[in-house]
Order: sequence, then structure tokens, then C-alpha cells
Amino acid sequence: DSGVTQTPKHLITATGQRVTLRCSPRSGDLSVYWYQQSLDQGLQFLIQYYNGEERAKGNILERFSAQQFPDLHSELNLSSLELGDSALYFCASRTAAGGPNTGELFFGEGSRLTVL
Amino acid sequence: GENVEQHPSTLSVQEGDSAVIKCTYSDSASNYFPWYKQELGKRPQLIIDIRSNVGEKKDQRIAVTLNKTAKHFSLHITETQPEDSAVYFCAATFQNNNDMRFGAGTRLTVKP
Repeated sequence: DSGVTQTPKHLITATGQRVTLRCSPRSGDLSVYWYQQSLDQGLQFLIQYYNGEERAKGNILERFSAQQFPDLHSELNLSSLELGDSALYFCASRTAAGGPNTGELFFGEGSRLTVL
Repeated sequence: GENVEQHPSTLSVQEGDSAVIKCTYSDSASNYFPWYKQELGKRPQLIIDIRSNVGEKKDQRIAVTLNKTAKHFSLHITETQPEDSAVYFCAATFQNNNDMRFGAGTRLTVKP
């Protein structure tokens, strides 16, 4: 158990719909990262938050948005869903946003989204 | 933009042989380079990491080397075992260590 909790574990929805994925980081971790992993593909970086603020942005579509709340949990919102959005979405957390002591990313179990 | 290239995409070895996976990165300011192992249907888990002030690090059968000049780092697994079969991802930090990008992954198969 990494200490990172993601819900829901599985989600099936239809094209055009909107879903919200939730992530609770490890206790004490201020940084949250979101990654998308399509079938047999790599980990595509979407976005990173540190203590409520967006710190880095990757290949995140305009239909997707995210935020980190004061209690440090984060939500990834996916709207106008398309078939190609079907993927495993991972959240990961980390102790610090940067600097010489930056360490390991701890991944949650992922949320598997299926768009029909 | 920020990029991590990883090779090979698939690697098959006999049990007991060594396996080497190589990565290059684009940002000379990157200073943290982890390697993750992902078993089928599971989350990626860190197996070893190296920081830019170190050239080599070893943990039992696993070692990582870093060449900052060439912006290149490698994972070495010796005496491979069937349970080493998994997808391995290299990663590097970008944007002042805020952003962590992953390579495309290497599917390692160790044949008994």
C-alpha cells in the first residue's frame, strides 16, 4: 500500500459525459501528480499541484481540468469524453515539489476509465 | 520540450542473463532520475533512483549509471529471474524538479 488513495477504481461511462476522479495523497505529501496510461502505453504526464497551486503542466487536454483542495486532495475532471479517453489514470504524490531532497513519487492504484 | 527517450521497447533474456535499459533526457537541469517497475495491472513502483551528483548506484542485482554530460542513464539488472518480468520506466525531473516525465517503457521478459 503506497498510502495514495484513488477513487473510483473503475468507471464506465458514455461519450460526451463528464467524470471526476479523486485522489488523496500520502499523509504529509504536498505535491500531487496526474498521469494517463492508455492500453500498453507509457505514463503521460498531465498536471502537477503543490499545496493547492498548479506547478507544472504536461499534455493535458482543454477538456480536462484539475485542482488541489486545502486538505490536499486532488480531483481530475474529464469532460466531453471521447472513446480515446479510455485509460488508467494514476495519481501520485511526493514529499516536496523540488530541490535537492526531492524524492520518490508514490502512485495510487489508478482509476480505470472506460468510455463506451 | 521536455523529453525522455527509452530503449529498447521490448527486451527478452534468458534467466540468469543480464538486462540493460537505456534512457536519454533533454533538460540539462534535470537532477533526479528514478526507475519504476510496473507489473501487469498494478501501479508503478520505484526500484532504484539516482541523483545528479552521483555517477552510479547499486542495490543488490540492480544498478543505475548516470552520464550527465551525455544526458544519459541506464538500468542494469544482473542474474535476471522470471519475477523480473515487467514493464520498466525511466523518468527524469524537469521544470526545476516540479515535473517528472517518464520514458515510454521497456517490456522485459525473462524466460526460465
